[in-house]
Amino acid sequence: AQTVTQSQPEMSVQEAETVTLSCTYDTSESDYYLFWYKQPPSRQMILVIRQEAYKQQNATENRFSVNFQKAAKSFSLKISDSQLGDAAMYFCAYRPVTSGSRLTFGEGTQLTVNP
Amino acid sequence: GAVVSQHPSWVICKSGTSVKIECRSLDFQATTMFWYRQFPKQSLMLMATSNEGSKATYEQGVEKDKFLINHASLTLSTLTVTSAHPEDSSFYICSASRLAGDRYEQFFGPGTRLTVL
Repeated sequence: AQTVTQSQPEMSVQEAETVTLSCTYDTSESDYYLFWYKQPPSRQMILVIRQEAYKQQNATENRFSVNFQKAAKSFSLKISDSQLGDAAMYFCAYRPVTSGSRLTFGEGTQLTVNP
Repeated sequence: GAVVSQHPSWVICKSGTSVKIECRSLDFQATTMFWYRQFPKQSLMLMATSNEGSKATYEQGVEKDKFLINHASLTLSTLTVTSAHPEDSSFYICSASRLAGDRYEQFFGPGTRLTVL
């Protein structure tokens, strides 16, 4: 069974600074997807970034980038130039490539951005 | 972008009554829909997976007679909480999966807050 672990229940960062959220996972699959989702106080799940396991290049989306270490099964999220609107719960998630397959979520990291 | 709606966004009901929550994919046909439950400050817990026209697949520990799921069409799935009790109070989120190119993408609804008195 696949598992996703986020070992940081809470993190804080100063506005304009950089923060890294950690995520590790366990799977026996060779191809899969990894995601970071943001859940602000509205509780709407928002996709932040996606990584395909067969791609060695780390995904980036503007201020958000990942450090994907497949051998170590690690998938951290770096937020650069943090903004107040980045404050939210962040979930790391795993999904196999098979159709209709479900997401497995980590426990979440609550990020606070201090002005 | 793909939009998934949920209705109602919040509901308060008396203990013993049944509540139906709708999940609709507004601008695409969803191959699969998922229902999650989320308690405050916790992660999303998958309750069941449903495909149009077939019975839902429930996760271990989820009572299928308590949480009835109907996937009537490729754009609509419903979750009915039967004989609701205060412990069923929670935030319920659906997601819908669609094929985009050569991969599947999931889109989340805004969630429904259920309070059982």
